[in-house]
Amino acid sequence: NAGVTQTPKFRILKIGQSMTLQCAQDMNHNYMYWYRQDPGMGLKLIYYSVGAGITDKGEVPNGYNVSRSTTEDFPLRLELAAPSQTSVYFCAIRTSADTQYFGPGTRLTVL
Amino acid sequence: AQSVTQLGSHVSVSEGALVLLRCNYSSSVPPYLFWYVQYPNQGLQLLLKYTTGATLVKGINGFEAEFKKSETSFHLTKPSAHMSDAAEYFCAVSLTGGFKTIFGAGTRLFVKA
Repeated sequence: NAGVTQTPKFRILKIGQSMTLQCAQDMNHNYMYWYRQDPGMGLKLIYYSVGAGITDKGEVPNGYNVSRSTTEDFPLRLELAAPSQTSVYFCAIRTSADTQYFGPGTRLTVL
Repeated sequence: AQSVTQLGSHVSVSEGALVLLRCNYSSSVPPYLFWYVQYPNQGLQLLLKYTTGATLVKGINGFEAEFKKSETSFHLTKPSAHMSDAAEYFCAVSLTGGFKTIFGAGTRLFVKA
């Protein structure tokens, strides 16, 4: 997980609250991704970015927003938390060889 | 459209036995293929990948996988399982030059003493 950091590691939210999951990289790669991982479902792509100022939706973007003002940071915003957003969230970067490097994850529970 | 199917959500083997985790893919163009491993409470780590060239790919920790275009498969094997191999394994596919990687649902490997 070297080079990709995520904060916080754990968080419990109440329904309707908002929060920002932070992701930062020090590897100077343009491509960054947010995934959610649910048991037995693999990883689902939420949003991705191909460089500062450029973002696009993935497979499951509803309920989330992102921004990419710098190469280093790619925060994920939950505006109105819902129980369906209980999951483990991973940020990743992609190298030129298509390999992805993942952060350690944020475990989010919405009650 | 690309897709990845991993056969078996759970696989259990005895220590020292052969490990075989199955992965089939669908892609309209030659893909890049990957196996990632996830240990408990950690992110995914690259185990091995196939891009072009030799179809038998060797990865870390004694794992290898063979790209078989005719069978659209990329099965992961290891001759002798260790207790430390217990983890979840994900097969993934991406298109050359594409932005996205598609992950399979994962196979959890259990290793019995």
